[in-house]
Amino acid sequence: EVQLVESGGNLVQPGGSLRLSCAASGFTFNTYWMNWVRQAPGKGLEWVANINQDGSEKYYVDSVKGRFTISRDNAKNSLYLEMSSLRADDTAVYYCARGFYGDYDNFFDYWGQGTLVTVSS
Amino acid sequence: DIQMTQSPSSLSASVGDRVTITCRASQSISTYLNWYQQSPGKAPKLLIYAASSLQSGVPSRFSGSGSGTDFTLTISGLQPEDFATYYCQQSYSTLSITFGQGTRLEIK
Repeated sequence: EVQLVESGGNLVQPGGSLRLSCAASGFTFNTYWMNWVRQAPGKGLEWVANINQDGSEKYYVDSVKGRFTISRDNAKNSLYLEMSSLRADDTAVYYCARGFYGDYDNFFDYWGQGTLVTVSS
Repeated sequence: DIQMTQSPSSLSASVGDRVTITCRASQSISTYLNWYQQSPGKAPKLLIYAASSLQSGVPSRFSGSGSGTDFTLTISGLQPEDFATYYCQQSYSTLSITFGQGTRLEIK
């Protein structure tokens, strides 16, 4: 059974830093792209970043470029999101999602339960 | 970036009804369009990928169609568990993936 379990969410002050983790199990982790998606309270879904199988390709939404870093440790079946210079508008539930990236279709087929990041003084 | 616009933003319907949600892309995305369902307090769930392919385990009352810039999600014979929020997502550009703003489906 595919499982994605996020952790690391917390209350942090503006300008602070936080590291989110996503532990993967039930599939061959190093053969899939992985993604972070966030959802601000009462708002819609926003893709944040993705990373390819060996970590050599990483892409970000413009609003987090230069502040967030996505990474993975295939030996530990884990995905990470290092967040710095946090702002109030980064407050959201952060989901990790497995990406299926085929020749003619790309989609997120499994999602974790999410971890809440609150940026407030 | 490719912008995705869903309509309507909210919709009221009754159990057994047939409903259609539309999604429009700001440029052609071929069939790189996916639909997700999100119930309150839950993670999103993949329903339809590549515009019209039903994800494994998803009931056949869900269907998708479209290509280019215009897409639809249809639910035939609404069930109580279908009242949720639905999102379209373009994956044409894996460098910049975007979602629609969501359509909230409520019980009439």
